[in-house]
Amino acid sequence: DGGITQSPKYLFRKEGQNVTLSCEQNLNHDAMYWYRQDPGQGLRLIYYSQIVNDFQKGDIAEGYSVSREKKESFPLTVTSAQKNPTAFYLCASSVDAGNNYGYTFGSGTRLTVV
Amino acid sequence: AQSVTQPDIHITVSEGASLELRCNYSYGATPYLFWYVQSPGQGLQLLLKYFSGDTLVQGIKGFEAEFKRSQSSFNLRKPSVHWSDAAEYFCAVGANRDDKIIFGKGTRLHILP
Repeated sequence: DGGITQSPKYLFRKEGQNVTLSCEQNLNHDAMYWYRQDPGQGLRLIYYSQIVNDFQKGDIAEGYSVSREKKESFPLTVTSAQKNPTAFYLCASSVDAGNNYGYTFGSGTRLTVV
Repeated sequence: AQSVTQPDIHITVSEGASLELRCNYSYGATPYLFWYVQSPGQGLQLLLKYFSGDTLVQGIKGFEAEFKRSQSSFNLRKPSVHWSDAAEYFCAVGANRDDKIIFGKGTRLHILP
């Protein structure tokens, strides 16, 4: 079945370390997105990519970086510059940059800084 | 810029009772509208969507939503809730074709036995 796979499901990081969250999709979708979710704050957009080798900052990009070298993959790196990285991270994809079909979401990665 | 508001942070209903979750949006033209559901520790699942045409939209799991342009609303309804409906519900709005979808802050639904 087609879908989005996020790994790992749980991730622990020491302060000062970079960590990379994986997002892979086999839906042949052009666009991919990273969201951060904190209790009571809904979903906040970190980065998005509408096509391979191109991506744009979202509302809270500081302390994060991404790459889009392959259509199927959109990894997110949480750098040591992110002051409060503990959160639930969601990856999503859509057929294209339009809104006709909505987004398909992965099951998320919970990152905890220890 | 478009925006979406979910006025209720928490809603509690008894099992078997009817449900209505409110959603108001701000956008000049007819938007794309969505409702998603999220179980604890999981991703979001699309319940239903509205683009144009019939203003009453049917979705999965027995949910429906009605688009009311005059009230800028897209409320989610279900005639009889089940304990398994306990989750967080997000309303979302998309505008221009190349714009991103904006999500509300969510309404958490609690079900009383």
